[in-house]
Amino acid sequence: NAGVMQNPRHLVRRRGQEARLRCSPMKGHSHVYWYRQLPEEGLKFMVYLQKENIIDESGMPKERFSAEFPKEGPSILRIQQVVRGDSAAYFCASSPPGPGYEQYFGPGTRLTVT
Amino acid sequence: KQEVTQIPAALSVPEGENLVLNCSFTDSAIYNLQWFRQDPGKGLTSLLLIQSSQREQTSGRLNASLDKSSGRSTLYIAASQPGDSATYLCAVGDQAGTALIFGKGTTLSVSS
Repeated sequence: NAGVMQNPRHLVRRRGQEARLRCSPMKGHSHVYWYRQLPEEGLKFMVYLQKENIIDESGMPKERFSAEFPKEGPSILRIQQVVRGDSAAYFCASSPPGPGYEQYFGPGTRLTVT
Repeated sequence: KQEVTQIPAALSVPEGENLVLNCSFTDSAIYNLQWFRQDPGKGLTSLLLIQSSQREQTSGRLNASLDKSSGRSTLYIAASQPGDSATYLCAVGDQAGTALIFGKGTTLSVSS
């Protein structure tokens, strides 16, 4: 059973470009979470999605960031018009349906904005 | 607002020593608590999950305890090995059981 997959593993964007980060959950998991780890800071929750639904986006910046989890295909975290402060490691986690299950993390995408 | 604190921030021990990592949280109304390991430049590996109704969980040389009333959890590592060197993260599941709130971690170095 493959774990949570994220791609790309490393992404370099110039200021003003768009970044698209993809996450494929573990087989049988229908819940996806995105977290961001800024340098010298802890991981911060961004958004929680189920298929075709955003359940909790309380951690998402109000502008430039969006997330989706379509019926088919991976979950996408999209950052428009990236700025240097967006440079971070972005982690995706997945869990089975229902609250309180163990979350399994992917290897992360390291975004560098130049 | 829930806050999670891990002390110490860094710890160095010789191989073979037993050690305890501490995690405290400000709001006792949690759903669960999860301990992770993170190696440099890598993702997170889940070590142990404790539900709010449980007091402890064990896996191999690891034992995690939870005291909700005092807002504390400890991760006990027995007979430490150089391969245990990593950053250990504590994360609390919020009341809805969805978002995890993380501490900043304890970076452990075990010397041979």
